[in-house]
Amino acid sequence: GENVEQHPSTLSVQEGDSAVIKCTYSDSASNYFPWYKQELGKRPQLIIDIRSNVGEKKDQRIAVTLNKTAKHFSLHITETQPEDSAVYFCAARYSWGKLQFGAGTQVVVTP
Amino acid sequence: DSGVTQTPKHLITATGQRVTLRCSPRSGDLSVYWYQQSLDQGLQFLIQYYNGEERAKGNILERFSAQQFPDLHSELNLSSLELGDSALYFCASSVAGVDADTQYFGPGTRLTVL
Repeated sequence: GENVEQHPSTLSVQEGDSAVIKCTYSDSASNYFPWYKQELGKRPQLIIDIRSNVGEKKDQRIAVTLNKTAKHFSLHITETQPEDSAVYFCAARYSWGKLQFGAGTQVVVTP
Repeated sequence: DSGVTQTPKHLITATGQRVTLRCSPRSGDLSVYWYQQSLDQGLQFLIQYYNGEERAKGNILERFSAQQFPDLHSELNLSSLELGDSALYFCASSVAGVDADTQYFGPGTRLTVL
Protein backbone atom coordinates (compact mmCIF):
# COMPACT_ATOMS: atom_id res chain seq x y z
CA GLY A 1 0.00 0.00 0.00
CA GLU A 2 0.87 3.66 -0.02
CA ASN A 3 2.17 4.49 3.41
CA VAL A 4 4.78 6.85 4.85
CA GLU A 5 5.88 6.55 8.45
CA GLN A 6 7.64 9.43 10.16
CA HIS A 7 9.59 9.53 13.43
CA PRO A 8 9.80 11.06 15.93
CA SER A 9 6.48 12.82 16.40
CA THR A 10 8.10 15.50 18.57
CA LEU A 11 11.70 16.63 18.79
CA SER A 12 13.16 19.12 21.26
CA VAL A 13 16.67 20.41 20.63
CA GLN A 14 18.90 23.08 22.06
CA GLU A 15 19.74 25.96 19.77
CA GLY A 16 22.87 25.11 17.82
CA ASP A 17 22.36 21.35 18.00
CA SER A 18 21.33 19.12 15.09
CA ALA A 19 17.91 17.64 14.43
CA VAL A 20 17.21 14.46 12.48
CA ILE A 21 13.82 13.26 11.27
CA LYS A 22 13.39 9.86 9.63
CA CYS A 23 10.77 8.51 7.24
CA THR A 24 10.11 5.13 5.67
CA TYR A 25 7.89 4.40 2.69
CA SER A 26 6.17 1.41 1.15
CA ASP A 27 7.10 -0.52 -1.98
CA SER A 28 5.17 1.36 -4.62
CA ALA A 29 6.64 4.79 -3.96
CA SER A 30 7.86 6.83 -6.84
CA ASN A 31 11.18 8.57 -7.20
CA TYR A 32 10.41 11.87 -5.54
CA PHE A 33 10.57 12.69 -1.83
CA PRO A 34 9.90 16.27 -0.68
CA TRP A 35 10.06 17.78 2.79
CA TYR A 36 7.69 20.52 3.90
CA LYS A 37 7.84 22.90 6.86
CA GLN A 38 4.61 24.17 8.33
CA GLU A 39 4.39 26.95 10.89
CA LEU A 40 1.29 27.22 13.03
CA GLY A 41 -1.74 28.20 10.99
CA LYS A 42 0.25 28.58 7.78
CA ARG A 43 0.69 26.68 4.55
CA PRO A 44 3.19 23.81 4.15
CA GLN A 45 6.29 25.18 2.43
CA LEU A 46 8.76 23.05 0.52
CA ILE A 47 12.21 23.23 2.09
CA ILE A 48 14.07 20.53 0.19
CA ASP A 49 13.39 17.54 -2.00
CA ILE A 50 15.31 14.57 -3.35
CA ARG A 51 14.95 12.29 -6.34
CA SER A 52 15.84 8.62 -6.38
CA ASN A 53 18.87 9.03 -8.61
CA VAL A 54 20.55 11.05 -5.85
CA GLY A 55 21.61 9.72 -2.45
CA GLU A 56 22.06 13.04 -0.69
CA LYS A 57 21.22 16.68 -1.22
CA LYS A 58 22.23 19.69 0.83
CA ASP A 59 21.01 23.27 1.00
CA GLN A 60 22.84 25.38 3.57
CA ARG A 61 21.88 23.98 7.01
CA ILE A 62 19.44 21.43 5.63
CA ALA A 63 20.29 18.08 4.10
CA VAL A 64 18.30 15.07 3.01
CA THR A 65 19.55 11.52 2.52
CA LEU A 66 17.81 8.71 0.67
CA ASN A 67 18.36 4.98 0.95
CA LYS A 68 16.20 3.31 -1.71
CA THR A 69 17.28 -0.19 -0.75
CA ALA A 70 16.08 0.29 2.81
CA LYS A 71 13.19 2.52 1.66
CA HIS A 72 13.92 5.33 4.02
CA PHE A 73 14.93 8.97 3.84
CA SER A 74 15.95 11.49 6.46
CA LEU A 75 16.06 15.22 7.04
CA HIS A 76 19.03 16.72 8.85
CA ILE A 77 19.03 20.26 10.20
CA THR A 78 22.34 21.51 11.55
CA GLU A 79 23.03 24.50 13.81
CA THR A 80 19.35 24.77 14.67
CA GLN A 81 17.86 28.19 15.33
CA PRO A 82 14.60 29.22 17.07
CA GLU A 83 13.05 29.99 13.67
CA ASP A 84 13.46 26.31 12.77
CA SER A 85 10.67 25.54 15.24
CA ALA A 86 7.73 24.19 13.21
CA VAL A 87 6.10 20.97 12.09
CA TYR A 88 8.04 19.11 9.42
CA PHE A 89 6.39 16.67 7.01
CA CYS A 90 8.06 14.15 4.77
CA ALA A 91 6.23 12.88 1.71
CA ALA A 92 6.57 10.35 -1.09
CA ARG A 93 5.06 10.72 -4.53
CA TYR A 94 2.82 7.92 -5.73
CA SER A 95 0.49 7.78 -8.73
CA TRP A 96 0.65 10.88 -10.89
CA GLY A 97 1.37 13.74 -8.54
CA LYS A 98 -0.25 12.35 -5.41
CA LEU A 99 1.83 12.98 -2.31
CA GLN A 100 1.49 10.66 0.66
CA PHE A 101 2.56 12.57 3.78
CA GLY A 102 4.04 11.34 7.01
CA ALA A 103 2.28 12.26 10.24
CA GLY A 104 4.61 15.17 10.92
CA THR A 105 7.32 16.01 13.47
CA GLN A 106 6.90 18.94 15.85
CA VAL A 107 10.37 20.46 16.24
CA VAL A 108 10.99 22.80 19.15
CA VAL A 109 14.28 24.67 19.31
CA THR A 110 14.97 26.17 22.71
CA PRO A 111 17.41 29.08 23.04
CA ASP B 1 3.59 33.88 -1.09
CA SER B 2 3.38 30.72 -3.23
CA GLY B 3 1.19 32.25 -5.92
CA VAL B 4 -1.66 29.86 -5.14
CA THR B 5 -4.76 31.60 -3.86
CA GLN B 6 -7.68 30.16 -1.93
CA THR B 7 -10.99 31.65 -0.88
CA PRO B 8 -12.51 32.01 1.58
CA LYS B 9 -9.93 32.01 4.38
CA HIS B 10 -12.44 30.97 6.98
CA LEU B 11 -15.83 29.34 6.71
CA ILE B 12 -18.22 28.59 9.54
CA THR B 13 -21.33 26.63 8.79
CA ALA B 14 -23.78 24.16 10.30
CA THR B 15 -24.12 20.42 9.96
CA GLY B 16 -26.02 19.33 6.89
CA GLN B 17 -25.02 22.37 4.86
CA ARG B 18 -23.06 22.59 1.63
CA VAL B 19 -20.03 24.78 0.95
CA THR B 20 -17.73 25.51 -1.96
CA LEU B 21 -14.02 26.17 -1.61
CA ARG B 22 -12.17 27.90 -4.41
CA CYS B 23 -8.56 27.66 -5.56
CA SER B 24 -6.58 29.50 -8.23
CA PRO B 25 -3.28 27.84 -9.18
CA ARG B 26 -0.01 29.59 -9.87
CA SER B 27 0.24 31.13 -13.30
CA GLY B 28 1.28 28.43 -15.75
CA ASP B 29 0.45 25.49 -13.49
CA LEU B 30 -1.92 22.95 -15.02
CA SER B 31 -2.37 20.60 -12.10
CA VAL B 32 -4.35 21.22 -8.93
CA TYR B 33 -4.45 19.09 -5.80
CA TRP B 34 -6.72 19.19 -2.77
CA TYR B 35 -5.61 18.12 0.69
CA GLN B 36 -7.44 17.95 4.00
CA GLN B 37 -5.57 18.59 7.24
CA SER B 38 -7.20 17.68 10.51
CA LEU B 39 -5.62 17.22 13.92
CA ASP B 40 -6.00 13.46 14.01
CA GLN B 41 -5.48 12.65 10.32
CA GLY B 42 -2.61 14.88 9.28
CA LEU B 43 -2.35 15.93 5.63
CA GLN B 44 -4.57 13.71 3.51
CA PHE B 45 -4.67 13.77 -0.26
CA LEU B 46 -8.19 14.14 -1.63
CA ILE B 47 -8.05 14.57 -5.38
CA GLN B 48 -5.94 15.82 -8.28
CA TYR B 49 -6.93 17.51 -11.53
CA TYR B 50 -4.78 18.11 -14.56
CA ASN B 51 -5.91 20.56 -17.23
CA GLY B 52 -9.55 20.02 -16.38
CA GLU B 53 -9.49 16.25 -15.99
CA GLU B 54 -9.42 14.17 -12.84
CA ARG B 55 -6.07 12.37 -12.52
CA ALA B 56 -5.86 10.78 -9.10
CA LYS B 57 -8.21 10.20 -6.23
CA GLY B 58 -7.47 9.67 -2.56
CA ASN B 59 -9.78 8.93 0.33
CA ILE B 60 -12.31 11.51 -0.75
CA LEU B 61 -15.80 11.03 0.65
CA GLU B 62 -18.74 10.64 -1.71
CA ARG B 63 -20.21 13.80 -0.16
CA PHE B 64 -17.23 15.70 -1.55
CA SER B 65 -16.68 16.56 -5.19
CA ALA B 66 -14.35 18.77 -7.14
CA GLN B 67 -13.79 20.13 -10.60
CA GLN B 68 -11.27 22.16 -12.53
CA PHE B 69 -12.57 24.77 -14.92
CA PRO B 70 -11.21 25.85 -18.34
CA ASP B 71 -9.44 28.80 -16.70
CA LEU B 72 -7.74 26.18 -14.46
CA HIS B 73 -9.22 27.34 -11.18
CA SER B 74 -10.69 24.56 -9.09
CA GLU B 75 -13.58 24.22 -6.68
CA LEU B 76 -14.07 21.68 -3.92
CA ASN B 77 -17.69 21.10 -2.97
CA LEU B 78 -18.50 19.64 0.43
CA SER B 79 -22.09 18.63 1.10
CA SER B 80 -24.13 17.18 3.98
CA LEU B 81 -21.47 18.51 6.27
CA GLU B 82 -20.66 16.73 9.51
CA LEU B 83 -18.76 17.88 12.57
CA GLY B 84 -15.84 15.70 11.52
CA ASP B 85 -15.42 17.65 8.29
CA SER B 86 -14.02 20.57 10.27
CA ALA B 87 -10.45 20.93 9.04
CA LEU B 88 -8.00 22.99 7.06
CA TYR B 89 -8.40 22.43 3.34
CA PHE B 90 -5.34 23.14 1.23
CA CYS B 91 -5.07 23.46 -2.47
CA ALA B 92 -1.71 22.96 -4.18
CA SER B 93 -0.62 23.38 -7.76
CA SER B 94 2.21 22.18 -9.96
CA VAL B 95 3.28 22.61 -13.54
CA ALA B 96 2.32 19.24 -14.97
CA GLY B 97 1.37 16.89 -12.17
CA VAL B 98 3.75 14.18 -13.16
CA ASP B 99 7.06 12.77 -12.04
CA ALA B 100 8.91 15.10 -9.70
CA ASP B 101 6.76 18.21 -10.00
CA THR B 102 7.05 20.56 -7.04
CA GLN B 103 3.71 21.23 -5.41
CA TYR B 104 3.10 24.72 -4.06
CA PHE B 105 0.46 25.11 -1.40
CA GLY B 106 -2.11 27.83 -1.01
CA PRO B 107 -2.88 29.47 2.36
CA GLY B 108 -5.78 27.12 3.04
CA THR B 109 -9.43 27.46 3.98
CA ARG B 110 -10.33 26.74 7.58
CA LEU B 111 -13.74 25.09 7.71
CA THR B 112 -15.62 24.92 10.97
CA VAL B 113 -18.82 22.88 11.10
CA LEU B 114 -20.99 23.60 14.13
